[in-house]
Amino acid sequence: DQQVKQNSPSLSVQEGRISILNCDYTNSMFDYFLWYKKYPAEGPTFLISISSIKDKNEDGRFTVFLNKSAKHLSLHIVPSQPGDSAVYFCAASAPTSGSARQLTFGSGTQLTVLP
Amino acid sequence: GAGVSQSPRYKVAKRGQDVALRCDPISGHVSLFWYQQALGQGPEFLTYFQNEAQLDKSGLPSDRFFAERPEGSVSTLKIQRTQQEDSAVYLCASRFQPGGPSSYNEQFFGPGTRLTVL
Repeated sequence: DQQVKQNSPSLSVQEGRISILNCDYTNSMFDYFLWYKKYPAEGPTFLISISSIKDKNEDGRFTVFLNKSAKHLSLHIVPSQPGDSAVYFCAASAPTSGSARQLTFGSGTQLTVLP
Repeated sequence: GAGVSQSPRYKVAKRGQDVALRCDPISGHVSLFWYQQALGQGPEFLTYFQNEAQLDKSGLPSDRFFAERPEGSVSTLKIQRTQQEDSAVYLCASRFQPGGPSSYNEQFFGPGTRLTVL
């Protein structure tokens, strides 16, 4: 049973436009959400996060929105750049895992930004 | 470099062989995680160490998988009698502090070891 779902395996966007990546979750115990970016042959790199007490967090071109009632979050990239082309993973953690707070990941969305 | 390093980067094993995968976390990081990433999927949690103590091994898929971190720094993930379904990328991540029930801090990932079992 996938607790974190990214239903779009791929997304193509024109350079300069907005990229919107979506993520849904089912576990209501999740209280912290993260987006990681992954290039081929590299490990995931942290991008941005949001606590469940907030509904928006912004960092430069990246903004994450959280809708707790819908159990949905999204990552907005504005403006999109060719260097943003990568696989984006949504991840979540719950306090019920104690000091581990391991991450539960979605299956990823391949973003391609076309020049 | 100051990041998480893993070795080997690629490992090919014949079915039934034992393999050992190494992780060097960021110096001073208390928490260490192992994740398994199958092709086309996101990483899945295997096990967690706080210093040298293995506090959570609920994600290990079978008793053929064993992890250790004897001195609280370097960790080794060992897979005995490898099977084809063990083929995956094994990711190690470290975190500066333990994550308390009401707090979280970022995990830093290594590049992974791609294991192929023939």
